[in-house]
Amino acid sequence: KQEVTQIPAALSVPEGENLVLNCSFTDSAIYNLQWFRQDPGKGLTSLLLIQSSQREQTSGRLNASLDKSSGRSTLYIAASQPGDSATYLCAVFNDYKLSFGAGTTVTVRA
Amino acid sequence: EAGVTQSPTHLIKTRGQQATLRCSPISGHTSVYWYQQALGLGLQFLLWYDEGEERNRGNFPPRFSGRQFPNYSSELNVNALELEDSALYLCASSFSFAGGTESNQPQHFGDGTRLSIL
Repeated sequence: KQEVTQIPAALSVPEGENLVLNCSFTDSAIYNLQWFRQDPGKGLTSLLLIQSSQREQTSGRLNASLDKSSGRSTLYIAASQPGDSATYLCAVFNDYKLSFGAGTTVTVRA
Repeated sequence: EAGVTQSPTHLIKTRGQQATLRCSPISGHTSVYWYQQALGLGLQFLLWYDEGEERNRGNFPPRFSGRQFPNYSSELNVNALELEDSALYLCASSFSFAGGTESNQPQHFGDGTRLSIL
């Protein structure tokens, strides 16, 4: 059974600081890994998808890396802004489903 | 382009009743996934429909069921509601998984239906 862990569970940083969010998974036989953002009471917004054959993916201020063999991914958010405050979830796709971590709740202080 | 739409936004039921939740995928997407996000339990996979067929099922009792219609919209039915069924139910859609490369299509989520059991 795939287990996905996200550390830390919560993070508070001043505006402008870079964010580093970690995700680990136990079964490396994945098709892909997705990072999502969830605002309170809302659904998930897809941020980045990294295929199993890729090492990283970038979109604007976001960069995600994947080390499949060690079962790790990291999401970097550069120059954080108060609007980045949300819960960030990583999910891995294998066994025909997404398995999610519990998320990292980020607060960016103005 | 319209995103994934779910209805209703909120649903209040009592124990023992039945609930029906609906999902319309993004145009062109044929796969629909259902997830449950209960407080303290995180996001759990419920069901996957593709091309009208149930392709995979999570670790939930049979009273959780659903179907996918010819237009690829989907319904989730929960029978004999229990208090612990209170949760946010999220629907996601993607292009079809069948064919290999489609496994790298991202899933796009709706805003969910909040089901409250009294």
